Amino acid sequence: GAVVSQHPSRVICKSGTSVKIECRSLDFQATTMFWYRQFPKQSLMLMATSNEGSKATYEQGVEKDKFLINHASLTLSTLTVTSAHPEDSSFYICSAGGDGKLFFGSGTQLSVL
Amino acid sequence: AQSVTQPDIHITVSEGASLELRCNYSYGATPYLFWYVQSPGQGLQLLLKYFSGDTLVQGIKGFEAEFKRSQSSFNLRKPSVHWSDAAEYFCAVGAPGGYQKVTFGTGTKLQVIP
Repeated sequence: GAVVSQHPSRVICKSGTSVKIECRSLDFQATTMFWYRQFPKQSLMLMATSNEGSKATYEQGVEKDKFLINHASLTLSTLTVTSAHPEDSSFYICSAGGDGKLFFGSGTQLSVL
Repeated sequence: AQSVTQPDIHITVSEGASLELRCNYSYGATPYLFWYVQSPGQGLQLLLKYFSGDTLVQGIKGFEAEFKRSQSSFNLRKPSVHWSDAAEYFCAVGAPGGYQKVTFGTGTKLQVIP
């Protein structure tokens, strides 16, 4: 079964609202979590890396005030897209690493109208 | 900086034919290498990974990959493709540690024809 659970799988929201995406590790303690973004027909681009209990490290060009990442426990990380706009529409995927393992979530398709 | 190149954007093969997807990486030392598959609208599923040891790695669904240090390659192969293998395939490289930052290639879309 899945060892990383990502919810929701699909979300549609109005422009200006905020959306929270959850990523949970089910069978292991995820000391590190990664958030990726995938545009249609493109590869996955790393947005940020978060270690449990620490502030996330964002990749160049990623707005930390827009994409809020919280990794408060060894089993849960959240990505909040604040004041979402249509250009934020994308496929977001998390991955969780720990105990020498790395697993990916099933992804969240965000559509901002 | 680590990087991955997948030179083939799109590949079409007949069902039952053999398959090889190319992957070249750039990394200063021996990297951790991965192949993932993504079906439309789905997340990523790990096919196989190479950390060390035997350079020919067996994965799920009948896939295998061979690490060739001299060529900086990690090509994915399957002797006989099934229609259900149609998907997008991503090669990825990571720093040793297994769960460090992973860099993905641009992907190869596989189409399988009857």
